[in-house]
Amino acid sequence: DVKVTQSSRYLVKRTGEKVFLECVQDMDHENMFWYRQDPGLGLRLIYFSYDVKMKEKGDIPEGYSVSREKKERFSLILESASTNQTSMYLCASRPPAGHTEAFFGQGTRLTVV
Amino acid sequence: DAKTTQPPSMDCAEGRAANLPCNHSTISGNEYVYWYRQIHSQGPQYIIHGLKNNETNEMASLIITEDRKSSTLILPHATLRDTAVYYCIVRVVTNAGNMLTFGGGTRLMVKP
Repeated sequence: DVKVTQSSRYLVKRTGEKVFLECVQDMDHENMFWYRQDPGLGLRLIYFSYDVKMKEKGDIPEGYSVSREKKERFSLILESASTNQTSMYLCASRPPAGHTEAFFGQGTRLTVV
Repeated sequence: DAKTTQPPSMDCAEGRAANLPCNHSTISGNEYVYWYRQIHSQGPQYIIHGLKNNETNEMASLIITEDRKSSTLILPHATLRDTAVYYCIVRVVTNAGNMLTFGGGTRLMVKP
């Protein structure tokens, strides 16, 4: 089974801290995604990557950056965390070709205080 | 990008069919309709996808209208475990690859 693992289930950080959210997948997928999920707003795409060192902005990239140094790992970085970045963060991966499903991690609930 | 519109919530009696509608009136000819669901405290889970023909798998059936402007996900015998938020999304293809854009979804409550 495909496994997408996010490093933390719950995280509490202070305003202004640099925060790293890590995601690892074990199926050699080229495409990886970071979403945030907020009540009433559904899932919104932050960034995605279609290959190592490649990245594309999603719908709400402001305040975030990403890193894809290895194929299996896609990191989301909050350079200076703010309270409005308190949210559930979801990572997903999928192969590039064909109409295949995306596999999601369990999510990281980040609280910025 | 094609957008989808879904009712925010629906109820369904346990054992009955749950019919979840989705409007995607601006869908392009080569875009597929995908359905995912998210059970509380878990990541989204793939259910089914289709282009223009009706599709069925072990989880659900997908009915797409002839003009492709809307579709319906059918859970034939809903169980309490089907309580979840259901997302209807349209596959967006960019120059760089494929990404999934989620809308608000429908919160399905299956009641005993």
